[in-house]
Amino acid sequence: ELKVEQNPLFLSMQEGKNYTIYCNYSTTSDRLYWYRQDPGKSLESLFVLLSNGAVKQEGRLMASLDTKARLSTLHITAAVHDLSATYFCAVDGFRGGSEKLVFGKGTKLTVNP
Amino acid sequence: GAGVSQSPSNKVTEKGKDVELRCDPISGHTALYWYRQSLGQGLEFLIYFQGNSAPDKSGLPSDRFSAERTGGSVSTLTIQRTQQEDSAVYLCASSLMGMDTQYFGPGTRLTVL
Repeated sequence: ELKVEQNPLFLSMQEGKNYTIYCNYSTTSDRLYWYRQDPGKSLESLFVLLSNGAVKQEGRLMASLDTKARLSTLHITAAVHDLSATYFCAVDGFRGGSEKLVFGKGTKLTVNP
Repeated sequence: GAGVSQSPSNKVTEKGKDVELRCDPISGHTALYWYRQSLGQGLEFLIYFQGNSAPDKSGLPSDRFSAERTGGSVSTLTIQRTQQEDSAVYLCASSLMGMDTQYFGPGTRLTVL
């Protein structure tokens, strides 16, 4: 069974600091996604990572994928308050015969002024 | 262009009543997914449609839950004889085809009293 674990689940940081969110998954998968969710809102797609060593960056966020370690990271550089949200990683279940996404529990990020 | 839309945005019902939740995917998207988000369980997959057929219904929690999709577009998720544990946010997503990035709608918040 495909399982996805994120850590930390809660992250409080000061503006200007750097931090990394980790996402581990249990079985081989073809795609890894990062989504952002603001309170009371739906999920917004941030990144899709397709291959080993893939790195994508958007503003202060950078995501990477190591398929051999079954690990993805979301690195936050010089955090600002606007980045406060819950971040989810998700892995597709295609190799298990399903198109569904399996999500981690999410990391609630709070950036304090 | 228009994103995924869902209706109603909020639904309050009494235990034992039936409810219908509607999803309008992005035009041209052949794949449609239903997920459920609750505090205790996180984001859970319910069902996946490719066109009008549902090759993966594995996430439906009981036979009180059913879904259909007509014309390769609109989908309805029906919950019969609602229970308090059905209270959650029901999210719909669509993608151009299977294995593509899933774009999420705003969700329907269901409260069963």
